[in-house]
Amino acid sequence: ETGVTQTPRHLVMGMTNKKSLKCEQHLGHNAMYWYKQSAKKPLELMFVYNFKEQTENNSVPSRFSPECPNSSHLFLHLHTLQPEDSALYLCASSQARNTEAFFGQGTRLTVV
Amino acid sequence: GIQVEQSPPDLILQEGANSTLRCNFSDSVNNLQWFHQNPWGQLINLFYIPSGTKQNGRLSATTVATERYSLLYISSSQTTDSGVYFCAAQWGQGGSEKLVFGKGTKLTVNP
Repeated sequence: ETGVTQTPRHLVMGMTNKKSLKCEQHLGHNAMYWYKQSAKKPLELMFVYNFKEQTENNSVPSRFSPECPNSSHLFLHLHTLQPEDSALYLCASSQARNTEAFFGQGTRLTVV
Repeated sequence: GIQVEQSPPDLILQEGANSTLRCNFSDSVNNLQWFHQNPWGQLINLFYIPSGTKQNGRLSATTVATERYSLLYISSSQTTDSGVYFCAAQWGQGGSEKLVFGKGTKLTVNP
């Protein structure tokens, strides 16, 4: 248990669906992150939020839309995804941007 | 940007053996983390080690920041040590810090 919880753990969605991934941290951290892990690739940083403000968008397609309503919660809204978007999506948090990061269990997404 | 390279990419051991995993990074880093990813995808924090040496049970890590590498030592390996080990370098400054991952070392420990 890392103090970062992601739901759902598994998600299968069609290309026309809209779904959301949720991340919640109980560590009192101020920075939250979305990472994507595809097969045979390093983890890729997608978005960074610091004190609820988005400070990084790593050239992510607009079909991925993040939302950070408060420092404890982070969402990733998904719509009109492609099969190549199938991957493990990991959420992380840290006290500040330059401190130790802790990860959730991930959501394994399959787009059909 | 910074490049993080891990070696070896794959490692197969017999239970009880020792091993050393290496992480090289191409630029100065603010900190460095080692993670173990279990078969279910969870990244478990092993070490937060910008420099120096730390030990936790059978695992230890050393980072030599001036020479831009870190080492993870696993002694008396067990089958539960199997999985993928990642190092990640915290790089950048002024609000643009990023945690950049290597491609990982896949460790298989056989009974």
